[in-house]
Amino acid sequence: DADVTQTPRNRITKTGKRIMLECSQTKGHDRMYWYRQDPGLGLRLIYYSFDVKDINKGEISDGYSVSRQAQAKFSLSLESAIPNQTALYFCATEGHGSTDTQYFGPGTRLTVL
Amino acid sequence: AQKVTQAQTEISVVEKEDVTLDCVYETRDTTYYLFWYKQPPSGELVFLIRRNSFDEQNEISGRYSWNFQKSTSSFNFTITASQVVDSAVYFCALSEAGYSTLTFGKGTMLLVSP
Repeated sequence: DADVTQTPRNRITKTGKRIMLECSQTKGHDRMYWYRQDPGLGLRLIYYSFDVKDINKGEISDGYSVSRQAQAKFSLSLESAIPNQTALYFCATEGHGSTDTQYFGPGTRLTVL
Repeated sequence: AQKVTQAQTEISVVEKEDVTLDCVYETRDTTYYLFWYKQPPSGELVFLIRRNSFDEQNEISGRYSWNFQKSTSSFNFTITASQVVDSAVYFCALSEAGYSTLTFGKGTMLLVSP
C-alpha cells in the first residue's frame, strides 16, 4: 500500500461548489503539506502543518482552508470553487529530523467548470 | 527570500545522449538543502536526491549525477546515456534551515526520443 494517499484522484466540479481533498499517510510523519501545480509554474505551497495543533499559511492560501484531523490526516477545502483553482494538487509528508525529505502523494486532478 | 531558477523549460534529446539540467538558487542562509524530484507522465513526484549546503561532493547514482557548486549557486543534474524512460519533468527545490517548506523551480521537461 502507498505511504501517502490522496482522495479523490480526479474530480470535476462546478463554480461555487464546496470541495474537500483528503490526504492520509502511514509514514508516521508529523509534518504535512498541500501544494498545487499549474503548468509552467512548478509547485506552490498552499498550507502546511507541523503537528495536529499547528496550521500555517503558505504562498497561495487565499480561497483555501485546511483541517488536520489527526497526525495521519490533512484535508484541503475549497469553500467556493472557482475555475482558476483548476490544478493538480499534491499532499506531502515529512518526518521531523535533519535528514528528512518530503514525500508526495499521487496527486488529485481538480477541474472547476 | 529564496528562489530557484530552472532556465531550461524543455529539452529534447535522442536516446543515449548525455543531458544536463540546470538549477540555480538564491538564499541568504548558510545552511540549506537542495532537492531534485522527477515527475513522469503518470504525474507522481519521485524524490531523487537531497543535498545539504555543507556537502559539496558530487554524487553519482547509476546514470544520474549531481554537481553542486556553492560558488555559482548551482545544483545541476546530469543524465548519462539517456533513455526513453527518463522522459519527465524534473524539478529542483530549495529548503532553508529552520523551515521545512520547499521552494520549487518551474521545472524542466525532458523528452528523450528513441
